[in-house]
Amino acid sequence: EIVLTQSPGTLSLSPGESATLSCRASQSVSSSYLAWYQHKPGQAPRLLISGTSSRATGIPDRFSGSGSGTDFTLTISRLEPEDFAVYYCQQYSALTWTFGQGTKVEIK
Amino acid sequence: EVQLLESGGGLVQPGGSLRLSCVASGFTFSSYALSWVRQSPGKGLEWVSAIGASTTRTNYADSVKGRFTISRDNSMNTLHLQMNSLRGEDTAVYYCAKHPTHVPSAYFDFWGQGTLVTVSS
Repeated sequence: EIVLTQSPGTLSLSPGESATLSCRASQSVSSSYLAWYQHKPGQAPRLLISGTSSRATGIPDRFSGSGSGTDFTLTISRLEPEDFAVYYCQQYSALTWTFGQGTKVEIK
Repeated sequence: EVQLLESGGGLVQPGGSLRLSCVASGFTFSSYALSWVRQSPGKGLEWVSAIGASTTRTNYADSVKGRFTISRDNSMNTLHLQMNSLRGEDTAVYYCAKHPTHVPSAYFDFWGQGTLVTVSS
């Protein structure tokens, strides 16, 4: 099973700053099979990015994804108040889906 | 607008059973694969089970294999998860999640808000 490790665990930032979230895989992940989600308490998780860098419908362009192999990054430029949440990366391989443990982006 | 509404969660004793349901709207239910994903208290997300659009293709995480059964009723736009022999470690919020294709594929494009299952004596 591919293990995803996200860092940092918590990111304390102010609105308007940029956030860089890391997701490292225990073995190589196909770029087509890496996604990112945003999750707020009591709400449904929301797909942000699929295929490493493709924004989902309605996701603002301040969210961007990049990476390959075992290292992937979600960048949020110019944090808005509604962006403070927990972010998860997720990979798919051989009919198994695994998630990272999450990065919490909190207001500083 | 795609909506997924889970129900059926609650408190159950270890060894007991529970059946979760997820009613879908806003898309052609019978054309898309679906999964259940759970989140234990204070922990991250864990995929549980997936089912293809045609119901013949199912997959399970090793942690639930042999105890949980996923099914769907395309005439009622409803996804189910039958959970037997429940354990404390099954305590979690269970989410219904939609795939963007008719077979379980790489990611989940829409999720429900979840239903809480608590396994405790």
